[in-house]
Amino acid sequence: SAVISQKPSRDICQRGTSLTIQCQVDSQVTMMFWYRQQPGQSLTLIATANQGSEATYESGFVIDKFPISRPNLTFSTLTVSNMSPEDSSIYLCSVLLGGPSSYNEQFFGPGTRLTVL
Amino acid sequence: AQSVSQHNHHVILSEAASLELGCNYSYGGTVNLFWYVQYPGQHLQLLLKYFSGDPLVKGIKGFEAEFIKSKFSFNLRKPSVQWSDTAEYFCAVNLYNQGGKLIFGQGTELSVKP
Repeated sequence: SAVISQKPSRDICQRGTSLTIQCQVDSQVTMMFWYRQQPGQSLTLIATANQGSEATYESGFVIDKFPISRPNLTFSTLTVSNMSPEDSSIYLCSVLLGGPSSYNEQFFGPGTRLTVL
Repeated sequence: AQSVSQHNHHVILSEAASLELGCNYSYGGTVNLFWYVQYPGQHLQLLLKYFSGDPLVKGIKGFEAEFIKSKFSFNLRKPSVQWSDTAEYFCAVNLYNQGGKLIFGQGTELSVKP
C-alpha cells in the first residue's frame, strides 16, 4: 500500500489568484494522478503525472490552468491558476503501485478542499 | 466516450437489510473494475477489485461484487448492512492498456439507519 499526504487540506481563495497543492507519497511511484471532485459530482481525472515526462491532460483540462510538476518519484504539485468560483472542488492525488497494465490499484490522498470566493 | 453509470444516487436502508448498488459501464474492450468507498471525513479506500478469473469477487467488510460481462455490469452487494457502512460508494473502471487512469461513476450515497 501507499500513504499519501496532501497540503493544504483546505483553503479559501480569492478569484484571480492561484493555489499550489502538494502531494507526498511514502514510497517511490512512477504514476501519479490528479483528480477533481466538484460538489455533488464524481471524480474526474485532470491529468497523469509521470516522473521525467510532461503531464498528460484529459479533455477539458489544460496546462495553463492546471500546471503540474513531478520533480521526483515521491512528490507532485498541482497548481490551480487564475481561480474562479467554478474551481471550487476537492482535488485529490492518487498513485498507482506497479505498472499501468499490471494488476494494481490506485491509492488516494485525503484531498484538498478548495473554495474560491 | 467511455462512461460509468451508477443507478442510485442515494440509498437509505435499515440495519440488517440487504444492499445492492448497480454499476454499468460503456466500453467494449478489456476492463478492470473497482468499487471504492469514502466514509464520512475519510479518504477513498478500495473495497474490492476485479481483473480476471472468477467474476464473483469478495472484498473487505463483507462486500462482494459480480462482474457480468454480457451486461457490462459490476454490481456491489452486501447481505446485511450495518450503520458503519454509511458512506459514499464509487464504481470505477480502468481501461486496459490506457494507463492506470480510472473513470468513476457518479457515486451512491448510502445511509444506514440504526
